[in-house]
Amino acid sequence: AQTVTQSQPEMSVQEAETVTLSCTYDTSESDYYLFWYKQPPSRQMILVIRQEAYKQQNATENRFSVNFQKAAKSFSLKISDSQLGDAAMYFCAWVRGGSQGNLIFGKGTKLSVKP
Amino acid sequence: DTGVSQDPRHKITKRGQNVTFRCDPISEHNRLYWYRQTLGQGPEFLTYFQNEAQLEKSRLLSDRFSAERPKGSFSTLEIQRTEQGDSAMYLCASSPSGTGGMDGYTFGSGTRLTVV
Repeated sequence: AQTVTQSQPEMSVQEAETVTLSCTYDTSESDYYLFWYKQPPSRQMILVIRQEAYKQQNATENRFSVNFQKAAKSFSLKISDSQLGDAAMYFCAWVRGGSQGNLIFGKGTKLSVKP
Repeated sequence: DTGVSQDPRHKITKRGQNVTFRCDPISEHNRLYWYRQTLGQGPEFLTYFQNEAQLEKSRLLSDRFSAERPKGSFSTLEIQRTEQGDSAMYLCASSPSGTGGMDGYTFGSGTRLTVV
């Protein structure tokens, strides 16, 4: 069975600094997608960034970027120039490629941003 | 289209009562998913539909739980004979089909269930 592990229950960063959230996953599939979702205190999950497993280039979305290490099954999220609004729960998620399957989530990392 | 809508936002019920939640997905999304999230945990998959067909159910979906999507649009999730362990946030999400999961899901704000 596929699993997603986030080893950091909580992280803290100073405003304007950079923080990296860790995620590892376990799968025997070769075709899959990886995601980072943000869940602010209002509880609605928001997609932050996605990565296709077949792409070697790391995805980037403005201040958010990933370090995707396929062989190591590692998918970390880097947030640059952290802002107060970045404070939230962050969930790493995996889904099988193709037309079937459902997202499998890690347990999340709670990010605090200090002013 | 304003995204995925869930109703109600909060529900408090007595143990043993039945409850029903509704989800309205993004109109052009064929796939609809239900997840359960307990405090401090990631969402856990319950079930999903493609159009009106229920394609997969998790073992978490006991026989007290039933989900429907009768016309391939909105969906309902019913919990019969609620137990205190059912207290959680129930999340609905939708996605386009045929894109291999690459688009991710759009989530609703969830229904928070408290069983007393």
